[in-house]
Amino acid sequence: SQTIHQWPATLVQPVGSPLSLECTVEGTSNPNLYWYRQAAGRGLQLLFYSVGIGQISSEVPQNLSASRPQDRQFILSSKKLLLSDSGFYLCALYQGYGYTFGSGTRLTVV
Amino acid sequence: SQQGEEDPQALSIQEGENATMNCSYKTSINNLQWYRQNSGRGLVHLILIRSNEREKHSGRLRVTLDTSKKSSSLLITASRAADTASYFCATDGNRDDKIIFGKGTRLHILP
Repeated sequence: SQTIHQWPATLVQPVGSPLSLECTVEGTSNPNLYWYRQAAGRGLQLLFYSVGIGQISSEVPQNLSASRPQDRQFILSSKKLLLSDSGFYLCALYQGYGYTFGSGTRLTVV
Repeated sequence: SQQGEEDPQALSIQEGENATMNCSYKTSINNLQWYRQNSGRGLVHLILIRSNEREKHSGRLRVTLDTSKKSSSLLITASRAADTASYFCATDGNRDDKIIFGKGTRLHILP
């Protein structure tokens, strides 16, 4: 079965600091991978998606970036965090019958 | 890309009652999915209904799909405290690789 690992679970970072969130997948190959952000009490905002190694599509202009260095690895990064980057970040994979989500990372920028 | 929009935004019912949530979307779809999110957790896939299906059951869950009205409903029967969560619909139109979620319905089951 497919599993998706996301870490860390919580993160507190100062404004202007860099960010790296990692997501890895097991039990499948060549998945479509996604990064979503969820602000408090809000819906999910699609940030990036990837259909393969090195292939990244960005949905929302922002100071975040994503990379897919390996088939089962998806990384969300920032060079300098903003207060507005605070939120709940979810990694997900999709294979035609629905999403499998990671457990999420609660990012607080202070 | 597709977009689901859930209705109502929030719903409070007594334990044991049935809860109904609705989802509307804008363009043609291949399938529609419902997810549950407990507070501070990731989303969990509940059920998928294909565009050629009208109704689907899974335990206490019943999902209907009306493609002519571009709408779906999720019914949770005999609600329990553990059903307290946010529920999201998402649609897959297969036109691209993106699936867009609505803002969700926050369901609160009162003891």
